[in-house]
Amino acid sequence: NAGVTQTPKFQVLKTGQSMTLQCAQDMNHNSMYWYRQDPGMGLRLIYYSASEGTTDKGEVPNGYNVSRLNKREFSLRLESAAPSQTSVYFCASIWGDNSPLHFGNGTRLTVT
Amino acid sequence: GENVEQHPSTLSVQEGDSAVIKCTYSDSASNYFPWYKQELGKRPQLIIDIRSNVGEKKDQRIAVTLNKTAKHFSLHITETQPEDSAVYFCAANSGYSTLTFGKGTMLLVSP
Repeated sequence: NAGVTQTPKFQVLKTGQSMTLQCAQDMNHNSMYWYRQDPGMGLRLIYYSASEGTTDKGEVPNGYNVSRLNKREFSLRLESAAPSQTSVYFCASIWGDNSPLHFGNGTRLTVT
Repeated sequence: GENVEQHPSTLSVQEGDSAVIKCTYSDSASNYFPWYKQELGKRPQLIIDIRSNVGEKKDQRIAVTLNKTAKHFSLHITETQPEDSAVYFCAANSGYSTLTFGKGTMLLVSP
């Protein structure tokens, strides 16, 4: 069991470039999430997918799009990267309500 | 939506002392309160959680207490060790299987 796998681990983009962060889980979890972590700000929810085929906005969705490709995979896309999107991005998943959230190892993104 | 406040933002203790981190939440419908530990450069990992049908839960040196009336919950670490040094996050569920996190507490345990 790999758990939650994120790729890439590191990425440097120039302002205006686009990229997709990939996430896959092998725990048969129903819900998947994208959080960003900035110093002093904790973990803020960008988008989530409560079940396959559904996606919803979280606290900070502007500048991002997501795709729940199937039950295992949930990707995050930056269409036109901005320096304010420099952050560490964590994908996570849970089996159901009120169950522990399992995090991936994170993607450290720098936008110059 | 849910709002979670966490205090203190930094906490320094001597090895062997106890450490207490406190969180408050705003949504009275919240009923699940996990705590995560994040070591430098690593992912957050669950250390303990509590549901609203209990007031306290213990796991070795770690305990969590919940006061639903006051809408606050706390993490207690006894006999702290240097390996307890990390950032700790509290969280509360906020509907549709989402968690809202506090901003974190950096705990430093000095030998």
